[in-house]
Amino acid sequence: KAGVTQTPRYLIKTRGQQVTLSCSPISGHRSVSWYQQTPGQGLQFLFEYFSETQRNKGNFPGRFSGRQFSNSRSEMNVSTLELGDSALYLCASSLVGDQGYNEQFFGPGTRLTVL
Amino acid sequence: DQQVKQNSPSLSVQEGRISILNCDYTNSMFDYFLWYKKYPAEGPTFLISISSIKDKNEDGRFTVFLNKSAKHLSLHIVPSQPGDSAVYFCAAISNSGGSNYKLTFGKGTLLTVNP
Repeated sequence: KAGVTQTPRYLIKTRGQQVTLSCSPISGHRSVSWYQQTPGQGLQFLFEYFSETQRNKGNFPGRFSGRQFSNSRSEMNVSTLELGDSALYLCASSLVGDQGYNEQFFGPGTRLTVL
Repeated sequence: DQQVKQNSPSLSVQEGRISILNCDYTNSMFDYFLWYKKYPAEGPTFLISISSIKDKNEDGRFTVFLNKSAKHLSLHIVPSQPGDSAVYFCAAISNSGGSNYKLTFGKGTLLTVNP
């Protein structure tokens, strides 16, 4: 079974631009979460989608947004890029069950550099 | 305010010896804890987890201990192998019995196992 895939793997943008990152979950996984990893802050939760609806949201400004499609694929968008947005953006997918925690499987990430 | 703390940014051990990675948390609502391992240019991979109703969970060379009163958990790797060299993240989740998929991560500890 294919793992979580993220595209592109690397991206360079300049301040003020916007960017869209894509995530394809493992087949059958309907929950997709996004995380930002930076050296100073570690891994921080951005948001989680299930059935095309955002269920959970972290403490990030409104410039960070996302969506999920009917096939569970997800995109995140960052508008008006700032230097501090340079980070590794990780997507994770999981099954959704009735009870208990379902393991999140991570993709390799998209390395975004803002110049 | 960082709710999950890994106070040691790095740890170096000799092959065959024990590696002990520590993690502290502040949120009493956390009821499920996980350790992830991350190699460069890859996403984190799940290693081992523990529910708050237990104080120990073992899986091969990996054991996680939970001390709820101290809000402290540790990961023991015995014996350590060079292939264990990676960044280890401690993570926690609250309401693991529901649909909360937000993982709160520590900043990670870089483990180096020397041959």
